[in-house]
Amino acid sequence: GAVVSQHPSRVICKSGTSVKIECRSLDFQATTMFWYRQFPKQSLMLMATSNEGSKATYEQGVEKDKFLINHASLTLSTLTVTSAHPEDSSFYICSARQGGEKLLFGSGTQLSVL
Amino acid sequence: GENVEQHPSTLSVQEGDSAVIKCTYSDSASNYFPWYKQELGKGPQLIIDIRSNVGEKKDQRIAVTLNKTAKHFSLHITETQPEDSAVYFCAASTGFQKLVFGTGTRLLVSP
Repeated sequence: GAVVSQHPSRVICKSGTSVKIECRSLDFQATTMFWYRQFPKQSLMLMATSNEGSKATYEQGVEKDKFLINHASLTLSTLTVTSAHPEDSSFYICSARQGGEKLLFGSGTQLSVL
Repeated sequence: GENVEQHPSTLSVQEGDSAVIKCTYSDSASNYFPWYKQELGKGPQLIIDIRSNVGEKKDQRIAVTLNKTAKHFSLHITETQPEDSAVYFCAASTGFQKLVFGTGTRLLVSP
């Protein structure tokens, strides 16, 4: 069935390095994917909407130069956290619409920046 | 924009009891209301959803009710089991617009 696959599930990196997170739609095509950020014991906060073949739309307050989003195909969107700092440590989750309004989520990526 | 409030923030029940989580929304144009279950360290999983043209929907032990006039919707879980323990999020959206999430409810089902 339709699944949103996200990798890696966990990543630890040094401050100043960049980290790429991949989000793939399996068994369906997703012209639009969404990237969320979640801090411990908090709700999901939408960071940006990723559109296949065009620029991402970022939510207010999200730095587009820090969180680079690429949606090069109908099944793959990537989020790159550039020059990561400890405050970027968080749980990042992608999602995609699987027909209609239904939103499927990936398994999330726990980013820890040392 | 849309604002979704969710209560309670934590809910403890005994196995076999029922659990009810309530959400209110602000935008009368919202017409899609999903509920997600999130286990620790995992992404949210869609468990049930309802559209504004329906007042109630049921799927085995889970049901959702919607009151458009009052702008609130609720999740009902009957015969709770320990594996129901998780964080539950409600959300609302207008058509294909972005989903706005509630603040979450941590449900603990004790054996």
